[in-house]
Amino acid sequence: DSGVTQTPKHLITATGQRVTLRCSPRSGDLSVYWYQQSLDQGLQFLIQYYNGEERAKGNILERFSAQQFPDLHSELNLSSLELGDSALYFCASSVGELYETQYFGPGTRLLVL
Amino acid sequence: GQNIDQPTEMTATEGAIVQINCTYQTSGFNGLFWYQQHAGEAPTFLSYNVLDGLEEKGRFSSFLSRSKGYSYLLLKELQMKDSASYLCAVYQAGTALIFGKGTTLSVSS
Repeated sequence: DSGVTQTPKHLITATGQRVTLRCSPRSGDLSVYWYQQSLDQGLQFLIQYYNGEERAKGNILERFSAQQFPDLHSELNLSSLELGDSALYFCASSVGELYETQYFGPGTRLLVL
Repeated sequence: GQNIDQPTEMTATEGAIVQINCTYQTSGFNGLFWYQQHAGEAPTFLSYNVLDGLEEKGRFSSFLSRSKGYSYLLLKELQMKDSASYLCAVYQAGTALIFGKGTTLSVSS
């Protein structure tokens, strides 16, 4: 158990819908990272927040957005969902801002029908 | 740009030693990580190299050569539970951790 928690574990929804994934980092960690993992693409970095501020951005679609709240938990919002958004979404956290070891949560498995 | 290459699949037998290679090309290097991931589960941290050389941690060791853009993960005394995907990841300039597609290791008895 890494200490990172994610909810929900599973999510089934329809195309065009919007969902919110939630992540709580390890105690003391200030950075939160979001990743998408699909069978053909591997683990893809989406976005990083550090202490409430956006720190780095990867290949995150415009339909996706995230934020980190004052209590350091983070939410990833996915809207106008498409079939291709079906994937495992992982959150990770680290103590600091740069080049640190990331510890991953158990993931949310999203299925878009 | 960033490119990380590792073999797609490897097989080995219990008790053996296996070496999983990773080569990378990066615009800036700030550390190389190895993670283990069982199917459908979270990646778990195995090792970190930022300087050249070998880091040993129990049955697992990781080696880095920055000049060659090369790393390997060495697994000794293989056990069935070591069957998993092994991900090589590199920090590029700007903080993003970029992952290779992973090497699926199958350990048989």
